[in-house]
Amino acid sequence: EVQILETGGGLVKPGGSLRLSCATSGFNFNDYFMNWVRQAPGKGLEWVAQIRNKNYNYATYYAESLEGRVTISRDDSKSSVYLQVSSLRAEDTAIYYCTRSFAYWGQGTLVTVSS
Amino acid sequence: DIQMTQSPSSLPASLGDRVTITCRASQDIGNYLRWFQQKPGKSPRLMIYGATNLAAGVPSRFSGSRSGSDYSLTINSLESEDMAIYYCLQHNEYPYTFGAGTKLELK
Repeated sequence: EVQILETGGGLVKPGGSLRLSCATSGFNFNDYFMNWVRQAPGKGLEWVAQIRNKNYNYATYYAESLEGRVTISRDDSKSSVYLQVSSLRAEDTAIYYCTRSFAYWGQGTLVTVSS
Repeated sequence: DIQMTQSPSSLPASLGDRVTITCRASQDIGNYLRWFQQKPGKSPRLMIYGATNLAAGVPSRFSGSRSGSDYSLTINSLESEDMAIYYCLQHNEYPYTFGAGTKLELK
């Protein structure tokens, strides 16, 4: 059974940084691209970032609204993917979802940016 | 960036109705189009991939179609469990982009 679990969310002050983690199991992690998607309270879905697998040299892609402030990475030995977000703003407040090819999703982790 | 214009934003419907939600792509995306269902407090659920393919476990009353740059999700014989917000996603080109969502609710 595919399992995806995001952790690392919480309350952070504007200008702060956060590292979100996504632990997976139940599939061959090495074979898949991984994505982060976020959803602000009461709003729609927004794609954040993708990291490809080793066959594609771990290429990364980012939403323009976050580029320069966000870094996606992965550790195949731990079947995990990470999202580092810096210079956080109030508008970054959202549930951050980790997803395998948009077919399997975690339950999300809430990031709240507030002073 | 590719814009996905989704309509309608709200769709009141009755049980047993046939409803259609549409996303129009601002550029060619081929069949790199997915549909998701999201219920309150839940993660999105993949319903349709490749524009027309039913995801595993999705009831056969759901279907996807394409006409040019218009992509549609149709639900035949609406059931109460179908009340949710539906989103399209283009994954042909970076940055990937979602439609704004359609809230399907009981009339």
